[in-house]
Amino acid sequence: GQSLEQPSEVTAVEGAIVQINCTYQTSGFYGLSWYQQHDGGAPTFLSYNALDGLEETGRFSSFLSRSDSYGYLLLQELQMKDSASYFCAVGGGGFKTIFGAGTRLFVKA
Amino acid sequence: SAVISQKPSRDICQRGTSLTIQCQVDSQVTMMFWYRQQPGQSLTLIATANQGSEATYESGFVIDKFPISRPNLTFSTLTVSNMSPEDNSIYLCSGRPPGLAGGETQYFGPGTRLLVL
Repeated sequence: GQSLEQPSEVTAVEGAIVQINCTYQTSGFYGLSWYQQHDGGAPTFLSYNALDGLEETGRFSSFLSRSDSYGYLLLQELQMKDSASYFCAVGGGGFKTIFGAGTRLFVKA
Repeated sequence: SAVISQKPSRDICQRGTSLTIQCQVDSQVTMMFWYRQQPGQSLTLIATANQGSEATYESGFVIDKFPISRPNLTFSTLTVSNMSPEDNSIYLCSGRPPGLAGGETQYFGPGTRLLVL
């Protein structure tokens, strides 16, 4: 089966850098993706890593280490609007996606 | 990116009744899925909606309780049958573009917030 672990909550101040970690166990791994969800909103896709290394998209970066079954989402220059839940996800066999429990990020002024 | 709409956006229902949620995507997607999410929790996959055939349900979800249809590539419905307060949740429709495997890009509708009294 598949399982993902990520911290339940992270708090940081505006302008800072925060890293949200995710470890996974899966039989048959293709890649790790990240989603953002604001309260009352739908999840929105942020990034997908199929290969080891860092992928950068603006203020957000995502990292993957396949040998360690580990990845992280890095948010730089934090803004109040970044306060949201962040989910890591892996393929669940076939075309399914399995989501982690989510990390709630609180950005303080 | 695909734009996915759902209706209704929210509903308050009496226990024992049924509610059908509609999902429409603006472009063809190969895969469509239905998820359930309780407030502050993760997304739980209910089923994969298959075009023109029976949906593929995850463990713990059955067709009699959550019948799903997908008559064409861009439209699907989920019915929550014989509702009880345990069904209070947000129901999300999602779609994946062609050529992508599980875990890759997925687009979500805005969700349907269901309250059963």
